[in-house]
Amino acid sequence: DARVTQTPRHKVTEMGQEVTMRCQPILGHNTVFWYRQTMMQGLELLAYFRNRAPLDDSGMPKDRFSAEMPDATLATLKIQPSEPRDSAVYFCASGLVLAGVGTGELFFGEGSRLTVL
Amino acid sequence: AQKVTQAQTEISVVEKEDVTLDCVYETRDTTYYLFWYKQPPSGELVFLIRRNSFDEQNEISGRYSWNFQKSTSSFNFTITASQVVDSAVYFCALSEVSNDYKLSFGAGTTVTVRA
Repeated sequence: DARVTQTPRHKVTEMGQEVTMRCQPILGHNTVFWYRQTMMQGLELLAYFRNRAPLDDSGMPKDRFSAEMPDATLATLKIQPSEPRDSAVYFCASGLVLAGVGTGELFFGEGSRLTVL
Repeated sequence: AQKVTQAQTEISVVEKEDVTLDCVYETRDTTYYLFWYKQPPSGELVFLIRRNSFDEQNEISGRYSWNFQKSTSSFNFTITASQVVDSAVYFCALSEVSNDYKLSFGAGTTVTVRA
């Protein structure tokens, strides 16, 4: 079964530390999304890529968050420095989106649960 | 403005009862996609269904069925003969061409099925 793989599954860190979350999208998918889930805000889009190009990262705090896709098999989300309010579950999703055809099935990874103390 | 509204925050039923989850969406696009996802207590988001705006046929998959009505901008989800394993949070989501196919999620409905 093809699946989106995220690491780490759980991360506990102290305020001020750098956190890097990784995502391996499903082979052949051209679009990768990063979502954050909190009780207060629900599922929020942080950033997304198509064909590895960043298209929109307006959902991210620019001063501390960065998202990259160094190759087709890896997307990263980095927080530096981390703060307690960053505590959340971070989901990566991938799918095949084609102009004129539309959105295929979008699959989510199991999420990375981040706790910043 | 909220693009996807799931008015029911929580629903509690006894096993074998049917449960219907409401989803109302808002879009000006003529081409769009609607999704349902399930998030069990373990936390992962499980894809259930995708529907495009040109296909209003209702769909049934086992005990799950979906009713898409463009006239009321609704995409409701029914679980027939619910089971304890159906206990989860269910999210409805919208993907629009004008929004570059990004998913906009509703707030989710928590379904609790009691034995």
